[in-house]
Amino acid sequence: KNEVEQSPQNLTAQEGEFITINCSYSVGISALHWLQQHPGGGIVSLFMLSSGKKKHGRLIATINIQEKHSSLHITASHPRDSAVYICAVESSTLVFGAGTILRVKS
Amino acid sequence: DSGVTQTPKHLITATGQRVTLRCSPRSGDLSVYWYQQSLDQGLQFLIQYYNGEERAKGNILERFSAQQFPDLHSELNLSSLELGDSALYFCASSTSGDGAYEQYFGPGTRLTVT
Repeated sequence: KNEVEQSPQNLTAQEGEFITINCSYSVGISALHWLQQHPGGGIVSLFMLSSGKKKHGRLIATINIQEKHSSLHITASHPRDSAVYICAVESSTLVFGAGTILRVKS
Repeated sequence: DSGVTQTPKHLITATGQRVTLRCSPRSGDLSVYWYQQSLDQGLQFLIQYYNGEERAKGNILERFSAQQFPDLHSELNLSSLELGDSALYFCASSTSGDGAYEQYFGPGTRLTVT
């Protein structure tokens, strides 16, 4: 079993839909990161959180430390949100999930 | 733009060769991390340097080595290259050597071994 599991692996949504990507982990962590990778390959850090909830524009990230679970929500999705979203947990080093491929259709 | 630079952007080389990838962290960041992203393994942590010293080691092969120089730039050396080493190599930087700090990723170097 991988230390970090993401679901779904693939997600197709219509523009405007509310999107949720989930991340579960099995190890003790100091923080959890959500990353975005566009088709060109570059990686952008979206959130780093160790408790509670963070919001940035249309993106919201939550974490439940007791349940070892985090969610990334995108409100009012747009085609430019199409990317791979990667969850990574920080214990002694970063351990990455396999990523969720999101496609938002107009 | 994250402020982290990596060179070269692309590299094509033959099996058995040696290459050097270079990374300059964001101004003021003391930590540099190296990651490998391949199609079959996903993103994997290779190694971390903090202020010139090795801080943590991950799934880095013995054929690979890295160092961080006094000006804080870092180099990842890959030798005796194999086809399976073809991947995207990212570096990232952060302010601290300890955990729970945001990391800023460079644009990556795409290595193709033929």
